[in-house]
Amino acid sequence: DAGVTQSPTHLIKTRGQQVTLRCSPKSGHDTVSWYQQALGQGPQFIFQYYEEEERQRGNFPDRFSGHQFPNYSSELNVNALLLGDSALYLCASSLGRKQAEQYFGPGTRLTVT
Amino acid sequence: AQSVTQLGSHVSVSEGALVLLRCNYSSSVPPYLFWYVQYPNQGLQLLLKYTTGATLVKGINGFEAEFKKSETSFHLTKPSAHMSDAAEYFCAVFSGGYNKLIFGAGTRLAVHP
Repeated sequence: DAGVTQSPTHLIKTRGQQVTLRCSPKSGHDTVSWYQQALGQGPQFIFQYYEEEERQRGNFPDRFSGHQFPNYSSELNVNALLLGDSALYLCASSLGRKQAEQYFGPGTRLTVT
Repeated sequence: AQSVTQLGSHVSVSEGALVLLRCNYSSSVPPYLFWYVQYPNQGLQLLLKYTTGATLVKGINGFEAEFKKSETSFHLTKPSAHMSDAAEYFCAVFSGGYNKLIFGAGTRLAVHP
């Protein structure tokens, strides 16, 4: 049973650039949530995708956007990167958008220089 | 608004000693509570969860937690620490209104020989 997978593992970008992170949910799951974990902090909710639409959004600017595909996989896009966007980006999947139990992927470590 | 407070950003124990990691939550509705573990450069792994029913919940790797409504606490314990338990531990509450997990700041557990 495949768990949540994310790509790439690590990424280095320059300020002002754009980045796309990818996530494949656990087999059988239809909902994807994205979290940002800055160094030394707990994860912060960015947004949730269900049925190919953004359903919930945390306190993040519009530079953060996403997409969900018919196969339930998801992308997180960040435009106009800032140094403060450097973090571990975690994808979590669940069965149903109101399901509390979420399974996390290994994360993508983004470094902005 | 729901929130989670983890008391002690760093906890150090000797191998074989009791592990106690503290978590207090704030919630106006019956909470769904979780403990996750994060090993270096990895994602989050679910240790245990409380939704309804028995207030003492057992998880993986010998960990357990007790939901105490009167104290708004969900402390994580393990009778005997092992070197492999060294990691970052996060307590989280599920926000049903926003379909997201709200995390504490984390507690780094060090285990000494």
